[in-house]
Amino acid sequence: DTAVSQTPKYLVTQMGNDKSIKCEQNLGHDTMYWYKQDSKKFLKIMFSYNNKELIINETVPNRFSPKSPDKAHLNLHINSLELGDSAVYFCASSRRQGRGYGYTFGSGTRLTVV
Amino acid sequence: KQEVTQIPAALSVPEGENLVLNCSFTDSAIYNLQWFRQDPGKGLTSLLLIQSSQREQTSGRLNASLDKSSGRSTLYIAASQPGDSATYLCAAIDNNNDMRFGAGTRLTVKP
Repeated sequence: DTAVSQTPKYLVTQMGNDKSIKCEQNLGHDTMYWYKQDSKKFLKIMFSYNNKELIINETVPNRFSPKSPDKAHLNLHINSLELGDSAVYFCASSRRQGRGYGYTFGSGTRLTVV
Repeated sequence: KQEVTQIPAALSVPEGENLVLNCSFTDSAIYNLQWFRQDPGKGLTSLLLIQSSQREQTSGRLNASLDKSSGRSTLYIAASQPGDSATYLCAAIDNNNDMRFGAGTRLTVKP
C-alpha cells in the first residue's frame, strides 16, 4: 500500500553505463517529479511531469531523460553515467500542478557510480 | 542561502498530550512551507502545506502555522496517539520548487 514507491533502493554501477530508476504512485495524482538530493537537506528539482507536459530544469544534463508510460509512473533513465551522478534521487507526486498542492515522496534511490 | 532548523531534535510524550514542533527558516522569501511525516524505511508523507500568503492550515488533529516575517512555522498535534510516532520534517520551498529540509523532529508517543 506504499503511496510512492521507487526501485531500486540502491544502485551501484560503473561509469559509462546506462541505468533506469522506476517510480510508481498509487495516489491518483496528476503530477510527478524527480528530485536530486544535493546535500543532506536540499532537494533540487530535476523534472516535473503533468499528464503529457514535461517541464525540465535546464541545469539537468541531457543524459537524464524521464519517461512516463502513464500517469502513475515516471521513470528516470540515465545515459553514460558519470561519477558526479552519485546521489540520492527522490520521486514525488502531487494531486495537481500548482503551488497549493503538497508533495508525497518515495523513500529514495541511492545511486553510486564507481 | 536558506537554512532550516527544527527544534527539538527529539521529543517523547505520553499519549493524549498536545504538542508543538518548531521550524525556523532564515530566508523569508519562500514560496510554500510543507510539513512531512516519515516512518522508518518509508518515504515522506505530506501532512500540511502552507502557501506563502497563508497563515495556517488544519487537517484533523494537526494545525500548522506560518509567520514569514519571523521565519517560523509550528506544527501543533492535538491529543497525541502512539500512531503519531514518526519523524516530522519541515521544508521550505522556493519559486523553483527546490526544497530545503530541516533535520527533523523524532517524536515518540508512549501508550
